[in-house]
Amino acid sequence: QSALTQPPSASGSPGQSVTMSCTGTSSDVGNYNYVSWYQQYPGKAPKLMIYEVSKRPSGVPDRFSGSKSGNTASLTVSGLQAEDEADYYCSSYAGSSNWLFGGGTKVTVL
Amino acid sequence: QVQLQESGPGLVKPSETLSLTCTVSGGSINNYYWSWIRQPPGKGLEWIGFIYYSGTTNYNPSLKSRVTISVDTSKNQFSLELTSVTAADTAVYYCARQNSIAAYAYDCWGQGTLVTVSS
Repeated sequence: QSALTQPPSASGSPGQSVTMSCTGTSSDVGNYNYVSWYQQYPGKAPKLMIYEVSKRPSGVPDRFSGSKSGNTASLTVSGLQAEDEADYYCSSYAGSSNWLFGGGTKVTVL
Repeated sequence: QVQLQESGPGLVKPSETLSLTCTVSGGSINNYYWSWIRQPPGKGLEWIGFIYYSGTTNYNPSLKSRVTISVDTSKNQFSLELTSVTAADTAVYYCARQNSIAAYAYDCWGQGTLVTVSS
């Protein structure tokens, strides 16, 4: 099994939207709705932002939204704020009790 | 709320065994899946494996021959052993909870502990 593919970087100005992708295969992202997204600040532990493709845990702003089409999941941050500058990782169930992470996308607020 | 705390040596010699423990406080270890995840310096996250409170485990196929995860429900702890370490195993190691209510997403994380493999 290989890591999920994420673009290394994405950027946007305050107030704009940024969307990042997470590409897997028909054996992981394409076959299960167990896709989640995590936000990580430097030197800190990841924080769950989206689970089950598009659901937000309590306390996560509704500026964060998730979706999936085929083998690719996406995370969109709308109304970009300075505090959204961080690394974002996707994760997916890969079958047979195995889990995968993506390589991460660094979001820069211009 | 539930808190997780990793503990163990920060420095391990090549070819030796890395051993870490995760202590769960503020909640029970029962009825959840518990995972170890690592992050080499400047790189992405890598799933190492999980254990269910009952003892069922599964490991990343790329690490399976070297990994053992165990649980001690009486102490509300679970542990990681990684044998025959090399410099490539240098990473921040996180313990995390998988919550079935959140489609098994990792909803609670420890702060992470840096383990360096060096002689």
